[in-house]
Amino acid sequence: DGGITQSPKYLFRKEGQNVTLSCEQNLNHDAMYWYRQDPGQGLRLIYYSQIVNDFQKGDIAEGYSVSREKKESFPLTVTSAQKNPTAFYLCASSGTDRGNYGYTFGSGTRLTVV
Amino acid sequence: SQQGEEDPQALSIQEGENATMNCSYKTSINNLQWYRQNSGRGLVHLILIRSNEREKHSGRLRVTLDTSKKSSSLLITASRAADTASYFCASIGAGSYQLTFGKGTKLSVIP
Repeated sequence: DGGITQSPKYLFRKEGQNVTLSCEQNLNHDAMYWYRQDPGQGLRLIYYSQIVNDFQKGDIAEGYSVSREKKESFPLTVTSAQKNPTAFYLCASSGTDRGNYGYTFGSGTRLTVV
Repeated sequence: SQQGEEDPQALSIQEGENATMNCSYKTSINNLQWYRQNSGRGLVHLILIRSNEREKHSGRLRVTLDTSKKSSSLLITASRAADTASYFCASIGAGSYQLTFGKGTKLSVIP
């Protein structure tokens, strides 16, 4: 079955620690995205990538970093510079024809600072 | 930035009733999409309507788009308990590649 896999499902981070969230897709989609969701809120875009080896900042990129070395993979690193990282993180992918495709989402990673 | 704003924030109805959720947006769009999110899960794409379309149907879902009012509505007919979820509208602005979400409507369908 085609889809997006996010891991881990739950992640705990200590103060000052970097953590990396995994996102893998086998849908052959060119574009991939990372969103952050806080309780009772909508989704806010962190980073997106339309093609391998290229990515762009979204609305809330500070304290986060990404890489896109393979079409299938778009890992997100939450750095110690992100002061309030506790949130639900969602990865998505889509075709690059903006007019025709909805996004496919993973099941999310819940990150908690301990 | 939040492009869409849903109304109401929460909606509670009896099973079998229809549920209507509204969405307003700020700038010109390429398309508008609706998503469902069950508690603690990822989002599921429901329906996409392009800026040159006015109405679209998919099963028990009906979406309308009024570009002159910058608004859209999602109608779920004959609701079921399994429809209980949060519903988000999201849009892609003209000339943009980013999908921007509203804060969602939390729908509760009481059996």
